[in-house]
Amino acid sequence: DTAVSQTPKYLVTQMGNDKSIKCEQNLGHDTMYWYKQDSKKFLKIMFSYNNKELIINETVPNRFSPKSPDKAHLNLHINSLELGDSAVYFCASSPTMTGDNEQFFGPGTRLTVL
Amino acid sequence: DQQVKQNSPSLSVQEGRISILNCDYTNSMFDYFLWYKKYPAEGPTFLISISSIKDKNEDGRFTVFLNKSAKHLSLHIVPSQPGDSAVYFCAAPGGTSYGKLTFGQGTILTVHP
Repeated sequence: DTAVSQTPKYLVTQMGNDKSIKCEQNLGHDTMYWYKQDSKKFLKIMFSYNNKELIINETVPNRFSPKSPDKAHLNLHINSLELGDSAVYFCASSPTMTGDNEQFFGPGTRLTVL
Repeated sequence: DQQVKQNSPSLSVQEGRISILNCDYTNSMFDYFLWYKKYPAEGPTFLISISSIKDKNEDGRFTVFLNKSAKHLSLHIVPSQPGDSAVYFCAAPGGTSYGKLTFGQGTILTVHP
């Protein structure tokens, strides 16, 4: 029983393409997040959603568009992929959006843009 | 501006000894801290946390110490085991109620048998 799952695990694509990463959590949590881990291994927040509503948009380019069809899913669509988008993307969830909640992470999606 | 810093990229320890991982922060608004452990090709998993009203929190082999005046926290693992070999991140909620976690850059712990 995977708590937070992401698909695909690996994604290799050409510059300029559009791609999506899917995330699902079966924990009944209200809040979901997308994080990016870059080549220097920093984990940085991109977005958070609470009950399908956007809460945090951390100055991410407009080419990145999150979509939350329901509170168990938070997908990430990326348009016009660039070389600098190559990274590992982690989805996470937490019971609520208050800061003292433990966040549960998915296994990550390694995106490589050629 | 890196508000959470882990200045040691790596640490190597013998099995059975103590591992001490350090973390410094600059934002005095942080009032809660978490440690996450990450194995290769997996997502981070929560390990232990501490509220700023405490200076110590213990869970089995893991203890986190918080020194607010120094804006410093440390994770002690005693005794260290080879299975503890992983990347350890400290993190703090971003000073708002929205749950944004600000992570340090991680420390790679290697525990040798």
